[in-house]
Amino acid sequence: QKEVEQNSGPLSVPEGAIASLNCTYSDRGSQSFFWYRQYSGKSPELIMSIYSNGDKEDGRFTAQLNKASQYVSLLIRDSQPSDSATYLCAVTTNAGKSTFGDGTTLTVKP
Amino acid sequence: NAGVTQTPKFQVLKTGQSMTLQCAQDMNHNSMYWYRQDPGMGLRLIYYSASEGTTDKGEVPNGYNVSRLNKREFSLRLESAAPSQTSVYFCASSETLGRIQGNEQYFGPGTRLTVT
Repeated sequence: QKEVEQNSGPLSVPEGAIASLNCTYSDRGSQSFFWYRQYSGKSPELIMSIYSNGDKEDGRFTAQLNKASQYVSLLIRDSQPSDSATYLCAVTTNAGKSTFGDGTTLTVKP
Repeated sequence: NAGVTQTPKFQVLKTGQSMTLQCAQDMNHNSMYWYRQDPGMGLRLIYYSASEGTTDKGEVPNGYNVSRLNKREFSLRLESAAPSQTSVYFCASSETLGRIQGNEQYFGPGTRLTVT
């Protein structure tokens, strides 16, 4: 079992829809959770961080964390073609070890 | 504020050649990382440096060495390149390592390395 698993893609949504990206992790000692966006041929860019159970909203992005279920998700509201990218989930344990998922590729169709 | 810079951007090596990838950050971060990214495999940690003067192996350290030259700079060396090391290499930095907050990583633009 991978330490960080993301829902297999690719994911395609129409413009204006909600895109839902999911991630599960195996280490119960994990304490920091991140979502990165990576455009094709570019480097990962941090878009959200979340540390406690519940929701965290930033503009059109909402990160959700459920430590009991070892689950973190990213919702993108009013999806735009510019949101088309690969989204990487990253988890850091209390020992400082960071692990990235393989990513989910999102395409937003006009 | 340049953030994280990497040189070179592209490199082609023959099997057995050596090279050093350079990374520098100007955010006064304590921790630095080297990753490789292969198609469909996400980011895999090669080495990291929690703070100046320390380095530790990550998930895939074989065939690589690193040097944390000072707080700003962290280099990755391939002593004898192999085709299996063809990849995109990213350097990253974070304020700290191990605390709940401060682990956000900021990435450089990457080095695209081909070994023939």
